[in-house]
Amino acid sequence: GDSVTQMEGPVTLSEEAFLTINCTYTATGYPSLFWYVQYPGEGLQLLLKATKADDKGSNKGFEATYRKETTSFHLEKGSVQVSDSAVYFCALRSRSQGAQKLVFGQGTRLTINP
Amino acid sequence: GAGVSQSPSNKVTEKGKDVELRCDPISGHTALYWYRQSLGQGLEFLIYFQGNSAPDKSGLPSDRFSAERTGGSVSTLTIQRTQQEDSAVYLCASSPPREYNEQFFGPGTRLTVL
Repeated sequence: GDSVTQMEGPVTLSEEAFLTINCTYTATGYPSLFWYVQYPGEGLQLLLKATKADDKGSNKGFEATYRKETTSFHLEKGSVQVSDSAVYFCALRSRSQGAQKLVFGQGTRLTINP
Repeated sequence: GAGVSQSPSNKVTEKGKDVELRCDPISGHTALYWYRQSLGQGLEFLIYFQGNSAPDKSGLPSDRFSAERTGGSVSTLTIQRTQQEDSAVYLCASSPPREYNEQFFGPGTRLTVL
């Protein structure tokens, strides 16, 4: 079945450091890919998405590119801030008929120190 | 505007008791999803409703779990004869018509089974 594997963490960085959180997937066909973020005490929020190969999703300084050849969707940010501290989830939605559910990775807890 | 709401926010129950968790989706959203977030299993899909179609129950872990959606809006997730392994945060999400890539999550219900 479909699955997502992401860097488990926890990841601790200093403010203004460069961030990469790795995500790879296994799926039939070409799924849609997502990064969701869960800030402390808040619900899951969609951070960015990409629906086809070579698409780049971006939001709040974060970027991720849909790489079909490596089945990856790594999350990057050039300069992190303390406010980016959160848990990040990579997810996919299969294009199979009737498959509307999201399949999530295990999540990566990110802590940014001032 | 109002987001997805869930109640109660926290529920503590004794092993063997039944519990009901409620979800109010965003007005006008036709699709509704239940997920579970637990330490051991991460974020996993439970059930999906779309309009008047038969729900996708493929993620329900046992026959102790059931869900219904009345009038195409509010949904209730029922867990009978709760077990300690049912302890988790239960998340509800909804999405607009034909926009399956946009799932909006509620704050969740934290269930603790003693």
